[in-house]
Amino acid sequence: GQQVMQIPQYQHVQEGEDFTTYCNSSTTLSNIQWYKQRPGGHPVFLIQLVKSGEVKKQKRLTFQFGEAKKNSSLHITATQTTDVGTYFCAGPWTTDSWGKLQFGAGTQVVVTP
Amino acid sequence: KAGVTQTPRYLIKTRGQQVTLSCSPISGHRSVSWYQQTPGQGLQFLFEYFSETQRNKGNFPGRFSGRQFSNSRSEMNVSTLELGDSALYLCASSAYPGQGSSYEQYFGPGTRLTVT
Repeated sequence: GQQVMQIPQYQHVQEGEDFTTYCNSSTTLSNIQWYKQRPGGHPVFLIQLVKSGEVKKQKRLTFQFGEAKKNSSLHITATQTTDVGTYFCAGPWTTDSWGKLQFGAGTQVVVTP
Repeated sequence: KAGVTQTPRYLIKTRGQQVTLSCSPISGHRSVSWYQQTPGQGLQFLFEYFSETQRNKGNFPGRFSGRQFSNSRSEMNVSTLELGDSALYLCASSAYPGQGSSYEQYFGPGTRLTVT
């Protein structure tokens, strides 16, 4: 069936290093959203990408939506301890199913000072 | 604006019982979605309500049901609880996206349900 996959599942990063997490969908997504969930917390919206090939930046975070709208990536530069958490990508299959997000399994990020 | 609120925050039930969880969306948001989060299955979509109508439904058994009221508040009910229903239940609200609007969802803190 339709699914969203994320790799890696775990990411151990030394403070100051860069890393990238990837999201791949089995089918085209209407849009892709990224959420961050801190330990013990709830998912918090980070960003939304809608257009094919779109790139958006938020300070040290760079988000990209693939040309085929089936994959996305999140790149974090100069990782800080505040980046700890699990990063999820999610998207609706169609524009009409905007309230039904299909979540990837997430990338759990651990930062070593 | 106040965020999404969920009550209760924690709940312990025994197998066979039923439970009702409540969610109050952000003021002005008419869509409420429910998700189940477990370590093994991750975040799974349960259902979504918009203007008191169920718009989308996930692949959960009929024991899971929900409803939305005219003030957009939503409830979900799980009947005949099973051990496997132990999870964090999250609700999320969003505004009707319309043209050029964002589709983001705002999550509540969740209700941690433990079934013994």
